[in-house]
Amino acid sequence: KAGVTQTPRYLIKTRGQQVTLSCSPISGHRSVSWYQQTPGQGLQFLFEYFSETQRNKGNFPGRFSGRQFSNSRSEMNVSTLELGDSALYLCASSLGSGRGTDTQYFGPGTRLTVL
Amino acid sequence: AQKVTQAQTEISVVEKEDVTLDCVYETRDTTYYLFWYKQPPSGELVFLIRRNSFDEQNEISGRYSWNFQKSTSSFNFTITASQVVDSAVYFCALSEANQGGSEKLVFGKGTKLTVNP
Repeated sequence: KAGVTQTPRYLIKTRGQQVTLSCSPISGHRSVSWYQQTPGQGLQFLFEYFSETQRNKGNFPGRFSGRQFSNSRSEMNVSTLELGDSALYLCASSLGSGRGTDTQYFGPGTRLTVL
Repeated sequence: AQKVTQAQTEISVVEKEDVTLDCVYETRDTTYYLFWYKQPPSGELVFLIRRNSFDEQNEISGRYSWNFQKSTSSFNFTITASQVVDSAVYFCALSEANQGGSEKLVFGKGTKLTVNP
């Protein structure tokens, strides 16, 4: 079974631009979660999508948004990029029971650098 | 509020040594799940184990073992006879069952393990 895939793997943008990251979950998984990883803050939850609906959201500004498509693929968008948005963005998929019981499987991440 | 603490920021050992990575968690929920993930230099988080709050039995998988103690809110991870390939950052994470239908994980800051030949 193919794992979680994320594209692109690396991205360089300048301040003020916007960026879209893509995630394809494991086949059969209906939940997709996004995490931001930085050296200072560690791994932080951005949001989770299930059945094309945002089910939970972390403490991030509205510049961070996402969506999920009917095939469970997900995208996240960051508008008006700031230097502090430089990070590794990890996507994870799970079956999505919503009971906190499912194991999340992670993709390789997208490393975003904002100049 | 949920919190996971991994007090050891970095550990360095020599190959074949045993090493224990500590994890302490805080939660108000009675039903929760604990996880360990490994992050090699490539960046991908690799799932190692999941444990629910009702199962305090220790688990062993090859050279890996986990000790879950609710009394001390700890879920420690031991690597026996460490190998260079074990070098990575290891994360402990917590998921609560009553999140209102969500799969959010709360992670510790991670422990960077370096195994020297």
